[in-house]
Amino acid sequence: GAGVSQSPRYKVTKRGQDVTLRCDPISSHATLYWYQQALGQGPEFLTYFNYEAQPDKSGLPSDRFSAERPEGSISTLTIQRTEQRDSAMYRCASSLSRHDTGELFFGEGSRLTVL
Amino acid sequence: DAKTTQPPSMDCAEGRAANLPCNHSTISGNEYVYWYRQIHSQGPQYIIHGLKNNETNEMASLIITEDRKSSTLILPHATLRDTAVYYCIVRQGAQKLVFGQGTRLTINP
Repeated sequence: GAGVSQSPRYKVTKRGQDVTLRCDPISSHATLYWYQQALGQGPEFLTYFNYEAQPDKSGLPSDRFSAERPEGSISTLTIQRTEQRDSAMYRCASSLSRHDTGELFFGEGSRLTVL
Repeated sequence: DAKTTQPPSMDCAEGRAANLPCNHSTISGNEYVYWYRQIHSQGPQYIIHGLKNNETNEMASLIITEDRKSSTLILPHATLRDTAVYYCIVRQGAQKLVFGQGTRLTINP
């Protein structure tokens, strides 16, 4: 597609429920990143993929968080047993390749609210 | 962990040049300086990046000091639409971007 697409744009859920967020990167891009952004803060790195490989998941805050990119294109971020502190904007970005020093293209994000 | 220091906020008059400073005194030889901005609740937007030479594109200019310990992003003719949070980031190769708190730039009419 023309840009990075994320869905849903807004998600409201109750504490304890599982949530899955989706990212569709730019079609030619090998590398995909997930970030979490709390209100008034800069984006915080969660994890990234190079095609289907996941070399770095150091930013995932707990084992309730997991991400997949099984075919090296679309990615999902799943949060199990959501807690109120998980409320944030979740942003996906993609770049041409892991070896590219150019720009990351960000999507519009998925805003998660946990009640 | 951000390796850069930026002022938390700045103001600039519309039509004037906005000069945003950034300190990165611990930058290593193979780390690039990147600038991104975030307008309201939109996703971060790439502006420019450089290694040691000054760079210019249609959006901005990046001036890097000779010792590479600091840099300045210049928006030559700021408009109201340039009001945003500006992030200065140092990045080695294709590593993840580590955002700090950024500078909240307000362009005043």
